[in-house]
Amino acid sequence: QVQLQESGPGLVKPSETLSLTCSVSGGSISTYYWNWIRQPLGKGLEWIGYIYYSGSATYNPSLKTRVTISVDTSKNQFSLKLTSVTAADTAVYYCARRRQGGPHDAIDIWGQGTMVTVSS
Amino acid sequence: DIVMTQSPLSLAVTPGEPASISCRSSQSLLHINEYTFLEWYLQKPGQSPQLLIYLGFNRASGVPDRFSGSGSGTDFTLRISRVEAEDVGVYYCMQALQSPLTFGGGTKVEIK
Repeated sequence: QVQLQESGPGLVKPSETLSLTCSVSGGSISTYYWNWIRQPLGKGLEWIGYIYYSGSATYNPSLKTRVTISVDTSKNQFSLKLTSVTAADTAVYYCARRRQGGPHDAIDIWGQGTMVTVSS
Repeated sequence: DIVMTQSPLSLAVTPGEPASISCRSSQSLLHINEYTFLEWYLQKPGQSPQLLIYLGFNRASGVPDRFSGSGSGTDFTLRISRVEAEDVGVYYCMQALQSPLTFGGGTKVEIK
């Protein structure tokens, strides 16, 4: 079965760039939409953006100027970069798979999440 | 952005009793293809969210039939026919009609 695993630094300094990678195992990264979603501790969920396996990405306008999502099909991975971070970017970051374009549209697989703290 | 509003904020339910969560969207979630792009997720304590309902009323694989989704347009409901202890957590509705995908604020379900 398909599993997702986030990896990356758990601590990032203010004004620096947050970089995370999601490794997809048990299945191909092809065909689906690959998402990043975050959740400040004790708060709700915020969609950051997604990328299609072909490389076409869509971002939340609230983060669009700072976000880049990329995909590496050869490694079965996709990545998130968030620039100029502040304390407001402190959150648990989830990668997730979305089925889209058919009769089963949904985010059906989530990673376990990785906590990222922005602090000097 | 489409704003998703859930109520109540929290709910304490006796095991075996029903529970109902409301979700309202700021615009209709009905697509021209006639699908309604409303999903429900449950985040159990200490876990990642998991899919319960997609396209308004379709139960995801492995989801017990005590969970049901209903509604149309801008008003939706998630019902649990008989709450069990394993149903505790925070329930989120989410719209996927248009970008950005947006979530409701969540409804915390606890057991009395």
